[in-house]
Amino acid sequence: QVQLVQSGAEVKKPGASVKVSCKASGYTFTSYGISWVRQAPGQGLEWMGWISAYNGNTNYAQKLQGRVTMTTDTSTSTAYMELRSLRSDDTAVYYCARLVRDMVLNWFDPWGQGTLVTVSS
Amino acid sequence: SSELTQDPAVSVALGQTVRITCQGDSLRSYYASWYQQKPGQAPVLVIYGKNNRPSGIPDRFSGSSSGNTASLTITGAQAEDEADYYCNSRDSSGNPVFGTGTKVTVL
Repeated sequence: QVQLVQSGAEVKKPGASVKVSCKASGYTFTSYGISWVRQAPGQGLEWMGWISAYNGNTNYAQKLQGRVTMTTDTSTSTAYMELRSLRSDDTAVYYCARLVRDMVLNWFDPWGQGTLVTVSS
Repeated sequence: SSELTQDPAVSVALGQTVRITCQGDSLRSYYASWYQQKPGQAPVLVIYGKNNRPSGIPDRFSGSSSGNTASLTITGAQAEDEADYYCNSRDSSGNPVFGTGTKVTVL
C-alpha cells in the first residue's frame, strides 16, 4: 500500500537546524510531489511548501522563504525537509504528504505519521 | 492568516446530518479537498474535487460547492466521525492553503 514513513522526534535549541525525512513506498516516487505541512500545538494546519519528485522543483510558503529547504533522493524514494534558524514558534508536528495537483485542485494523500520537533533552550 | 474560513465548532446528534462549510474567494476558481484529523493522528483525506471519495471513506461523506463556499456533509453521523475537519484549496498566489478548521462533536 502507499505509505509515507517519517523520521523520529527531535529536540533542538533555538538557532539550530533540523532535517526531517519522509520515506515513500507503494508507488512510483517520481510521479508525484511531496508537500510538507506543520501543526503547532493546539493549532491548525500550515502548508510549508512542496517539491516535485520528478525534477526537484520547489515552491515554499513565503513566510518560510530563506529558512526552509526541501530535497529528494530518488534512489531511496525519500524526501527531506530542513528548517534552519529554529525559533520556539517552530515547535510543531511536521507532516509530509503526497501531493496531487492539477489546474483547479490539489489534494494530499496519504500523509506521514508526523514528526514532533521541539525547539527549547 | 488563512484565506479559507471555517466555523470553529459544530455539533450533531448521532445519526443526524451535519454540514461543514469553508468560505474563501479562491473557491470560485478552485475545488476544495477535505481532511479529517482525530486527536494525536495525522490528517486523512475524505473528499477531493467535485465530490470524490478515496477508497475506504464511507459514502456518508460528501462534498459540494457553490460560489465562494465549499461544503462537507456527513449524512448519518457516527461516533467515530468526531474529529477536526480542514478544507484545503489555493490562496491568491495559487499556493495550497488550509482552512481554519472545524471541530465536530457527535452528541
